[in-house]
Formats: sequence, C-alpha cells, structure tokens
Amino acid sequence: DIQMTQSPSSLSASVGDRVTITCRASQSIGTYLNWYQQKAGNAPRLLIYGTSILQGGVPSRFSGSGSGTDFTLTISSLQPEDFATYYCQQSYGTPFTFGPGTKVDIK
Amino acid sequence: QVQLQQSGPGLVKPSQTLSLTCAISGDSVTSNSGVWNWIRQSPSRGLEWLGRTYYRSKWFHDYAPSLKSRISINADPSKNQFSLRLNSVTPEDTALYFCAKDSIGFSFDYWGQGSLVTVSS
Repeated sequence: DIQMTQSPSSLSASVGDRVTITCRASQSIGTYLNWYQQKAGNAPRLLIYGTSILQGGVPSRFSGSGSGTDFTLTISSLQPEDFATYYCQQSYGTPFTFGPGTKVDIK
Repeated sequence: QVQLQQSGPGLVKPSQTLSLTCAISGDSVTSNSGVWNWIRQSPSRGLEWLGRTYYRSKWFHDYAPSLKSRISINADPSKNQFSLRLNSVTPEDTALYFCAKDSIGFSFDYWGQGSLVTVSS
C-alpha cells in the first residue's frame, strides 16, 4: 500500500493568514493526489483533485501543487469557515489511501 | 444533484455481519461514469478506503486487501442502491462508515451522511 504522511499534524492560525499543508507519498504517484476538508460531524468534502484542479464551488483561495511524492495545499487567506481538518488522498492505485490529517484551528 | 442516503444498524455483535446500504438519488448505480465506494473512519485507523463497485457493461469490484476475505460490495439496480457487507466483525471494525461516489476519476465527490457502527456484545 502507498503510505501518505502529512505535516504538520495541527496548526494554529489567524484569519487572513496564509496556510500551507504538506503531504508526502511513500512512492511516486504522479499527480494523482486529492485534498479534502472535514468539519466535525460531517463527511469529508472534496476540495482539489488531480493535485491542482479545484472542485466546483471551492473558493479560489485554495490551491494545490506538487508531483511525484511531495504535494502542498495552500490557503492564501484563511477565512473563519476554513477551520477544519484537511486530508490528502492518493488515487494512483488501489487501495486508495489517505493521510492522517492536518487540523487547522484558531490561534 | 447526487444524494447518498445511508441506512443500517448502529450496533453489531462480534463475529456477526455488518450490513449497510447506500440509496442513490440524482444518479443511477448503473451509470457508466459512476464508481460507488465505501470508506470508514476511526480514531485508530483514520480514513480507510474499503472498496468499490461499478458497472461498465458488467459489474466490477475492488476491495482493500486487508479486508478482502471479509468484505463484499454489491449493487441493486432495482432499488438504485449499493451495499456493504463485512463478515466476522471485531471491535476493531467500530467506525464511522461512509458511502461515496467517484464521478471524476479516483476521488470522492459525493458522500453519504455517515453511519456510526459499533461492534460490541
């Protein structure tokens, strides 16, 4: 199985901050990387697929980059509704695997 | 708009079978573009993809190797739904279970509301 790691595991930030979350795969996955946002009590929400393609309805302050084994999710200006946990997921091959998550909370 | 509605028991005894159903509205389980998945989430395992089924002139199934001997995912076109069965459950199978659709290609863009399943006697 392809192992996914994320850093940091949690971070505290203020509204308006630029936030970057890193995801690393245990082997090269090309650009087969997706990002999800999950708020307490809800199912995950797809934000970005194919490393950098914004899902419909997702604000443009979210962006993704990377290839191979290293990927980043960037929130250019953190908004109150962005406080949540973020997960990466590789879609290079089955079994699809997720990172352990990065919790973004209010400083 | 695709909606997925999950149903099934919230408590299952050890060694028994966990069964959940995901009813689809706004799409067809036999669509040539949809892939229907089950995913679970627990504090110990995080988010874990369990398996999928999809129809491309015939039915296909893929399962997580760690569960392959215990899991089955099947579709019922007459009810426009798909289901998860997990045999011989243990307390380690206690989790929040989600059904999810992949309509883009290897990502999960529509999710059910989640079903908390506890394995306990």
